[in-house]
Amino acid sequence: DGGITQSPKYLFRKEGQNVTLSCEQNLNHDAMYWYRQDPGQGLRLIYYSQIVNDFQKGDIAEGYSVSREKKESFPLTVTSAQKNPTAFYLCASSPGTPSGNQPQHFGDGTRLSIL
Amino acid sequence: GNSVTQMEGPVTLSEEAFLTINCTYTATGYPSLFWYVQYPGEGLQLLLKATKADDKGSNKGFEATYRKETTSFHLEKGSVQVSDSAVYFCALSDRSTGNQFYFGTGTSLTVIP
Repeated sequence: DGGITQSPKYLFRKEGQNVTLSCEQNLNHDAMYWYRQDPGQGLRLIYYSQIVNDFQKGDIAEGYSVSREKKESFPLTVTSAQKNPTAFYLCASSPGTPSGNQPQHFGDGTRLSIL
Repeated sequence: GNSVTQMEGPVTLSEEAFLTINCTYTATGYPSLFWYVQYPGEGLQLLLKATKADDKGSNKGFEATYRKETTSFHLEKGSVQVSDSAVYFCALSDRSTGNQFYFGTGTSLTVIP
């Protein structure tokens, strides 16, 4: 079955440590997204990528970095500069058609906590 | 700019009650509208969508109609079940802003037997 796989499901970070969240999709989608979800705040866009080797900052990119070397992969690194990283992180993808009427498909998320 | 406003929760209903979750939007262009559902510890799943004015999206007994005149996309279900307990998100996608999605803050629904 096609879908989006996020790993790990739970992740713990020590102070001063960078951690990388994995996101892989086999839907052949061009566009991929990272969101952060905090209780009562909905989803906030961190980074997105519409094609391989290109990505743009979202609303809350500070303290995060991404890469898009392959179409199916869009890993997110939470750096030590992100002072409040505890959250639920969601990866999504979409076909990236210009019509704007295609839904985003989501992975099951990674919950990141500070030790 | 683009934004989505949902009614605040939490919402608690008895089984078989009628559900309405209000959603209104602001958009610079001609958006497509979506409802997503999130069960505990999981990602978001698409529930239904509508891509132009007066379209009605429906799925699993849920319905929502794209009302351009009132800029609304309210979610309704005639008879809720315990298994409908989840968080519901309204969202829009606007071609004029590069197909970015804009999400509401979510409405938590609990259905009690």
